[in-house]
Amino acid sequence: NAGVTQTPKFQVLKTGQSMTLQCAQDMNHEYMSWYRQDPGMGLRLIHYSVGAGITDQGEVPNGYNVSRSTTEDFPLRLLSAAPSQTSVYFCASSSDREWTEAFFGQGTRLTVV
Amino acid sequence: QKEVEQDPGPLSVPEGAIVSLNCTYSNSAFQYFMWYRQYSRKGPELLMYTYSSGNKEDGRFTAQVDKSSKYISLFIRDSQPSDSATYLCAMKSFSQNAGGTSYGKLTFGQGTILTVHP
Repeated sequence: NAGVTQTPKFQVLKTGQSMTLQCAQDMNHEYMSWYRQDPGMGLRLIHYSVGAGITDQGEVPNGYNVSRSTTEDFPLRLLSAAPSQTSVYFCASSSDREWTEAFFGQGTRLTVV
Repeated sequence: QKEVEQDPGPLSVPEGAIVSLNCTYSNSAFQYFMWYRQYSRKGPELLMYTYSSGNKEDGRFTAQVDKSSKYISLFIRDSQPSDSATYLCAMKSFSQNAGGTSYGKLTFGQGTILTVHP
């Protein structure tokens, strides 16, 4: 009963490096999102997708790219890491566009030095 | 001003206490109100949701919404050490992307850290 799986769980990057955070769900959910969680800021939406091939920006998209080639996978790419991107990243999915219930992965803790 | 304000705490209570967690909001477009619980080093999980003013009960948990005051609360009765977690309020509205497609959007509070000690 996997649900939403994120890899890696931890990552340290140097400024300027790029990397991809992986997210996969096995619930056949159309709707997926990426959030970042910072102290005192709550969860903020980075990018979201309403189905394979369809993505759009959330409230803090700068420095991140996404793609959705399959229903299951929704990777988040950091193009050129900056210390301001040090955060905990959560991927979430939902079966309905109203996000009545969001299912979250366990998170990726990213540190950019 | 943030759309959703939540006291970050931390809140520390003895086992058996009644806990009150609160959020205020400013956006009248919020339609659904949710509480998520997040254990340390885990992702949030949905605890309760409601869409109308009034109370909703689920076991030891009661969610209360007052739309006229833009205020929501979560009450935990007979609190247990296993309730120790961060509690996030979340509110749903609809937004439109550049193409005019409407999508549900969740806005989260900052989270309240709760510790229930034996």
